[in-house]
Amino acid sequence: EAQVTQNPRYLITVTGKKLTVTCSQNMNHEYMSWYRQDPGLGLRQIYYSMNVEVTDKGDVPEGYKVSRKEKRNFPLILESPSPNQTSLYFCASSLSGLTNEKLFFGSGTQLSVL
Amino acid sequence: AQKVTQAQTEISVVEKEDVTLDCVYETRDTTYYLFWYKQPPSGELVFLIRRNSFDEQNEISGRYSWNFQKSTSSFNFTITASQVVDSAVYFCALSLYNTNAGKSTFGDGTTLTVKP
Repeated sequence: EAQVTQNPRYLITVTGKKLTVTCSQNMNHEYMSWYRQDPGLGLRQIYYSMNVEVTDKGDVPEGYKVSRKEKRNFPLILESPSPNQTSLYFCASSLSGLTNEKLFFGSGTQLSVL
Repeated sequence: AQKVTQAQTEISVVEKEDVTLDCVYETRDTTYYLFWYKQPPSGELVFLIRRNSFDEQNEISGRYSWNFQKSTSSFNFTITASQVVDSAVYFCALSLYNTNAGKSTFGDGTTLTVKP
């Protein structure tokens, strides 16, 4: 089944404790992206990747890191999480970022930073 | 910088009513793509439609229709004869082309509640 898989679904952590949210897609998509969803603010793009080893900042990259060493994986790293990073995170992928194909989303990761 | 405005935060209708969700966008680029996504109460995000800036034809898919007007920078979404299953948060989104490809901007979403 074609899908974007995020893990974990729920995560509670404490301020400053490094964490990684994994994202994997099995559709051989070139483009992957991370978003955060906060009440009343819609989805805001954190980072995106047009292809392997090519990443770029979205609108809210501060406090986050990403890497794209393999086509299928695009992990989101919070090196020192803070309470303002409590949010619902979505990973997405599409066939091509150049042609702006439709996005396939993961199921989301609800992160709480205490 | 681009911007997407969904002025209607919440809409409530009774089943079988028609409802239109508004989306207004801002961009200086001449080539761009517009999208609508649905987020039902279960939380997943589902693609509904994609339209490029050169295609102003309206589109109809079952009970759903979309009206794209470049003159007013709007890409409105109408649900005809709404059903309870249409209850969801709907997002309008804008993606750019060329050197800005890859960046996407979403509106804040419109929460639609369809009551039986």
